[in-house]
Amino acid sequence: DTAVSQTPKYLVTQMGNDKSIKCEQNLGHDTMYWYKQDSKKFLKIMFSYNNKELIINETVPNRFSPKSPDKAHLNLHINSLELGDSAVYFCASSQGGLQETQYFGPGTRLLVL
Amino acid sequence: AQSVSQHNHHVILSEAASLELGCNYSYGGTVNLFWYVQYPGQHLQLLLKYFSGDPLVKGIKGFEAEFIKSKFSFNLRKPSVQWSDTAEYFCAVIPASGGSYIPTFGRGTSLIVHP
Repeated sequence: DTAVSQTPKYLVTQMGNDKSIKCEQNLGHDTMYWYKQDSKKFLKIMFSYNNKELIINETVPNRFSPKSPDKAHLNLHINSLELGDSAVYFCASSQGGLQETQYFGPGTRLLVL
Repeated sequence: AQSVSQHNHHVILSEAASLELGCNYSYGGTVNLFWYVQYPGQHLQLLLKYFSGDPLVKGIKGFEAEFIKSKFSFNLRKPSVQWSDTAEYFCAVIPASGGSYIPTFGRGTSLIVHP
């Protein structure tokens, strides 16, 4: 059973397009995250949701909008994609809050042309 | 804002060699510390963590790490590496006080172990 899953695994698109990445966790965790891993492999947190409530928004452009329909899902929608958005996006979840162990998804490799 | 430095970006070892990967962080308060590992083609997964207590923590697959508060360090060690330890290793810090529980990751260390 996959604990944290993301779709799609790869996403290639043109500048200016709008795209979404979906994340689901079946661990029963309360908190979910989105991270961006840049070309230098730095993992930077973008958003965190706890029980569908936004608790972290780390100076991410407004073009990025997370949506959590329920506590098992945290989707990431990106408007007007730019070249600099090319990266690997990781979803993660944890039980009990931000300080706990995080369980990561496989990542979505986004390439904007 | 806190930061995490992993000074070794690429490490190449032969099997049975000893391993030490450095991790230093900058944050003045209490922290929770983590090492995550990403094996080729797999998810990031927890290797070990330190919250409090004994500063020498043991993780999976024979790994251990020592928290030295005075040096703001949490170095990862393994006495004898195996080919299967080839992976990316990420150190992470989360403040445990101050109200800003923002996780910060290092840029990772790529370990290649030759058989």
